[in-house]
Amino acid sequence: AQSVTQPDIHITVSEGASLELRCNYSYGATPYLFWYVQSPGQGLQLLLKYFSGDTLVQGIKGFEAEFKRSQSSFNLRKPSVHWSDAAEYFCAVGRGSARQLTFGSGTQLTVLP
Amino acid sequence: DSGVTQTPKHLITATGQRVTLRCSPRSGDLSVYWYQQSLDQGLQFLIQYYNGEERAKGNILERFSAQQFPDLHSELNLSSLELGDSALYFCASSVEGHINTGELFFGEGSRLTVL
Repeated sequence: AQSVTQPDIHITVSEGASLELRCNYSYGATPYLFWYVQSPGQGLQLLLKYFSGDTLVQGIKGFEAEFKRSQSSFNLRKPSVHWSDAAEYFCAVGRGSARQLTFGSGTQLTVLP
Repeated sequence: DSGVTQTPKHLITATGQRVTLRCSPRSGDLSVYWYQQSLDQGLQFLIQYYNGEERAKGNILERFSAQQFPDLHSELNLSSLELGDSALYFCASSVEGHINTGELFFGEGSRLTVL
């Protein structure tokens, strides 16, 4: 069965600092990997996705993620965090064409002024 | 705005009752997914419908059922409600087709509180 681990429940960074959110997955085949962001009272919004090809993927809002098969990781990064990035971030792995996503438990990001 | 509409946004009911949550997918999306988000279980996939037919089932309880209508809107029915059913229920939609589309568009959720 597929699974996703986000080891950091809560991360606090200062505005302007760099950010890395960790994600490890377990999946028996080539994974489809996603990062979603959930702002308070909102639904989830896709930041970026990886299916194949270049292992460094660019997303919206200045985010990027790198797929490392050897480490079963798909970490999310941003070089300079803005106060509006404060939200909860979910890593997810998808299965085949049915698009059922298995989500990690989420990482809550707090941005200090 | 994702284009996915869920109603009601908030719902408070009592144990043993039945509720129906409604979802209108994005225009043109044939697939609808239901997810449950709770503090103890996180985000869990419940069920998927594609063009009116059930496509996949996840961790959906037997007390819960769903359907997708000819106009592609979907309803999630929750019956014999228990305190543990209190959660945020998300609907998402997608364009099924080429495997590399991949993106789900989520509604803002329906928050169910069972007292």
